[in-house]
Amino acid sequence: AQTVTQSQPEMSVQEAETVTLSCTYDTSESDYYLFWYKQPPSRQMILVIRQEAYKQQNATENRFSVNFQKAAKSFSLKISDSQLGDAAMYFCAYRSANSGTYKYIFGTGTRLKVLA
Amino acid sequence: ETGVTQTPRHLVMGMTNKKSLKCEQHLGHNAMYWYKQSAKKPLELMFVYNFKEQTENNSVPSRFSPECPNSSHLFLHLHTLQPEDSALYLCASSQDGLAGGSYNEQFFGPGTRLTVL
Repeated sequence: AQTVTQSQPEMSVQEAETVTLSCTYDTSESDYYLFWYKQPPSRQMILVIRQEAYKQQNATENRFSVNFQKAAKSFSLKISDSQLGDAAMYFCAYRSANSGTYKYIFGTGTRLKVLA
Repeated sequence: ETGVTQTPRHLVMGMTNKKSLKCEQHLGHNAMYWYKQSAKKPLELMFVYNFKEQTENNSVPSRFSPECPNSSHLFLHLHTLQPEDSALYLCASSQDGLAGGSYNEQFFGPGTRLTVL
């Protein structure tokens, strides 16, 4: 069975600085998707960035980028130029690419605090 | 309304009550999900529906009963709940298909904060 591990329950970053959130996963599959979701306090969970396992190039979305290391089964999220609005819970998630599989596996989350 | 909506946003119920949570997605997606979110635990997948057919049931107690009358609506019927069932219940939807684009990305609703007394 697949597992997702986020070993940092809480992280802090100074405004305008860079922070990296860690995520490792375990799977025997070769094709899958990885996601980072953001859940602000009392607000909806939204997708931050996604990565297809067959793509070697790391995904980027504006200030957000990932470091995807397939062999190491590592998928970290880097937030550059941190802003107060980045404060939230961040969840790493895995999903098999097998057709007909609808199960997403989530980590326990990392709470990010942004200090002014 | 856009995206995924959930009602009610907050619910307090006694252990003998019967209530229902409602989820509606306005995205034309083919899959809908119920999750339970408790503090310091991973999101727990409860049920998955694809084209109105239940494809996942993660050993959820029978006091939780899902219903999916069409691909846009999903309900979670609750009865004789326990205090440990207090949590945030999230609904999500996705369009599953070929890789690329927004396929396989889940869109979440705001959740229902449930308190069982």
